[in-house]
Amino acid sequence: QKEVEQNSGPLSVPEGAIASLNCTYSDRGSQSFFWYRQYSGKSPELIMFIYSNGDKEDGRFTAQLNKASQYVSLLIRDSQPSDSATYLCAVQPGGSYIPTFGRGTSLIVHP
Amino acid sequence: EAGVAQSPRYKIIEKRQSVAFWCNPISGHATLYWYQQILGQGPKLLIQFQNNGVVDDSQLPKDRFSAERLKGVDSTLKIQPAKLEDSAVYLCASSLTGNEGEKLFFGSGTQLSVL
Repeated sequence: QKEVEQNSGPLSVPEGAIASLNCTYSDRGSQSFFWYRQYSGKSPELIMFIYSNGDKEDGRFTAQLNKASQYVSLLIRDSQPSDSATYLCAVQPGGSYIPTFGRGTSLIVHP
Repeated sequence: EAGVAQSPRYKIIEKRQSVAFWCNPISGHATLYWYQQILGQGPKLLIQFQNNGVVDDSQLPKDRFSAERLKGVDSTLKIQPAKLEDSAVYLCASSLTGNEGEKLFFGSGTQLSVL
């Protein structure tokens, strides 16, 4: 069973701070990595996709991938209360294009 | 562009009853997924269709769950008989081709409560 691990949190940060969310995965052959945001009672929506080692930036969001350590992270700069949600890490294992999701990390940004 | 449509939005049934969920993916999307999301957990894949064929149903409890995607468009997921542990949100998602690196588009989900 291919595993995707996330700390369930909650991670609480003050408004304006950097939130750091982490994810590890078990399948060394995994190629594609996603971060989805899920507001309470809503469906997941994609916010970041990364497939190369290193950083990928999109606005206030930065995804970081380290395949050697089997680790992917999401940084949210200048966190806003509207960023409060659960962040799901999803991984496409090698040989399969079916995304496997972690349990998600709950982020709370307090004013 | 219309999104993924799901119905019903909520369903409450008693254990041992049957229930069915419907999903209409984004037009032109070949790949359709059914995920089960239990409260506090991430989505767990139940079944993936490519057009009207099953790609992966290894985690579908086939003694009680069934799914079909006739004509390669909309899909129905059925539970018969339901158990208490089936209480969850059932999410339908679609993607254009199902290839590597593709984004999934999720429907609003069906929240099932089994009493």
